[in-house]
Amino acid sequence: LMLTQPHSVSESPGKTVTISCTGSGASIATNYVQWYQQRPGSAPITVIHEDDQRPSGVPDRFSGSVDRSSNSASLTISGLQTEDEADYYCQTYDSSVWVFGGGTKLTVL
Amino acid sequence: QVLLQESGPGLVKPSESLSLTCSVSGASISGERYYWAWIRQPPGKGLEWIGSVSYTGNPYVDPSLGRRVSISVDTSGNRFSLNMASVTAADTARYYCARSHYDSTRFDIWGRGVLVTVSS
Repeated sequence: LMLTQPHSVSESPGKTVTISCTGSGASIATNYVQWYQQRPGSAPITVIHEDDQRPSGVPDRFSGSVDRSSNSASLTISGLQTEDEADYYCQTYDSSVWVFGGGTKLTVL
Repeated sequence: QVLLQESGPGLVKPSESLSLTCSVSGASISGERYYWAWIRQPPGKGLEWIGSVSYTGNPYVDPSLGRRVSISVDTSGNRFSLNMASVTAADTARYYCARSHYDSTRFDIWGRGVLVTVSS
């Protein structure tokens, strides 16, 4: 399984952005999908786990979903804030291998 | 509070071996519901899973790294280790250790990472 993400996305404060994570080679829906946020100089933190669950402390502006028909997952961030500017990675598991997407750089203009 | 702390040399010569240890505090590494993982990030690039090990010592390694990588668990010391043989400049990266949930496979606890440079 390979996970493909757009290299970068940008949007204005207050708007909504969706980052896609498309699977190839296997079904992305077989195991849970997670999303991580990584700010420069810091370790990643989980913003979505188990497809659509938010850890405590993550604002409800963050939501996740998985679409079996398109073999993809999505991270949606609404009401964008400048602090959301970061790199975002999707992650899942397939046949004894943990898989990361290539990452998406989100710029909040 | 569960904390993970990586330790090891920051500079390794080409063709030599890279060895890192992750010390776990606030939780037992023998817990049945977790895997313990190594993940790296080359400068300016994305996250790369290297491998994971269960509390029983069962290792899972990225097939692309093959026999170069071994991961082991020291339950008495509550730590786990990474050994990577025959390193090249392409192995220069920040290396993170992390805890992965057994059921969801998510990485919920990360160390701060250690930068390892491969250079003569």
